[in-house]
Amino acid sequence: GIQVEQSPPDLILQEGANSTLRCNFSDSVNNLQWFHQNPWGQLINLFYIPSGTKQNGRLSATTVATERYSLLYISSSQTTDSGVYFCAVEQVTGGGNKLTFGTGTQLKVEL
Amino acid sequence: GAVVSQHPSRVICKSGTSVKIECRSLDFQATTMFWYRQFPKKSLMLMATSNEGSKATYEQGVEKDKFLINHASLTLSTLTVTSAHPEDSSFYICSAGSIMVYEQYFGPGTRLTVT
Repeated sequence: GIQVEQSPPDLILQEGANSTLRCNFSDSVNNLQWFHQNPWGQLINLFYIPSGTKQNGRLSATTVATERYSLLYISSSQTTDSGVYFCAVEQVTGGGNKLTFGTGTQLKVEL
Repeated sequence: GAVVSQHPSRVICKSGTSVKIECRSLDFQATTMFWYRQFPKKSLMLMATSNEGSKATYEQGVEKDKFLINHASLTLSTLTVTSAHPEDSSFYICSAGSIMVYEQYFGPGTRLTVT
C-alpha cells in the first residue's frame, strides 16, 4: 500500500517562530488533506489541497502532486498551535475513497 | 465545516462485554462513513468503510465479527466492539464523507478502556 511519511516527527518552537512541515507520499493520489489533532483528540480540518497553494490566516499549504509531497507552513506560531499535525492522502479504490494518514508531526510551541 | 458527533466520548467496560459507539453527521448526509483506531502517540489506522445501506468493507487484519459496523441511515453509523478485551482499549474515531462534500470530517473520538 501507499506510504505516507511526515517530517520532522517532533518539533519544539518558541512562540512567534515559523516552521515548515513536510509530507511525502509514495504513489499517485487523488487528494490530500492536512489536519491538526488537538490535545483532546479532535481532528480539525486545515486544508483540502490536492495541488497548488492555499492560505488561511497564519497557515498555508502547498502540494506538488507530480513530485509526491506537500508542505504545511505555520507562521508566527502560538501556543494554541501545539498538537499533532497529520497529512492524509486519498486514493480511489474499490472500497471507496479511503484516507491513508501520515506518521504525524508532534508540535509544541513554548512561551 | 461539517459537524460530526460521536457518543460516548469515553467508556469503561468490563472484559467480555460489548460496547456500541455512535457516529452522527449533524449537518450533511454522509453516504460514506469511516472508522479509525488510534493508539497512543500513533497515527490513525483505518478499520473499515461503510456505505449507507450496505455491508461495511473491512481493512486487512480487522476482525469483522469483533467490530460490527452498521450504517443504517445517511446520518448515523455505529461501531460495536463485541466481547471486548483489554487489547481492544484504544481511541476510536469516525469520519463522514459524501459525494457532495469533498473532504472527510471527523468526530471527536471515543476513548474505550476495557478492564
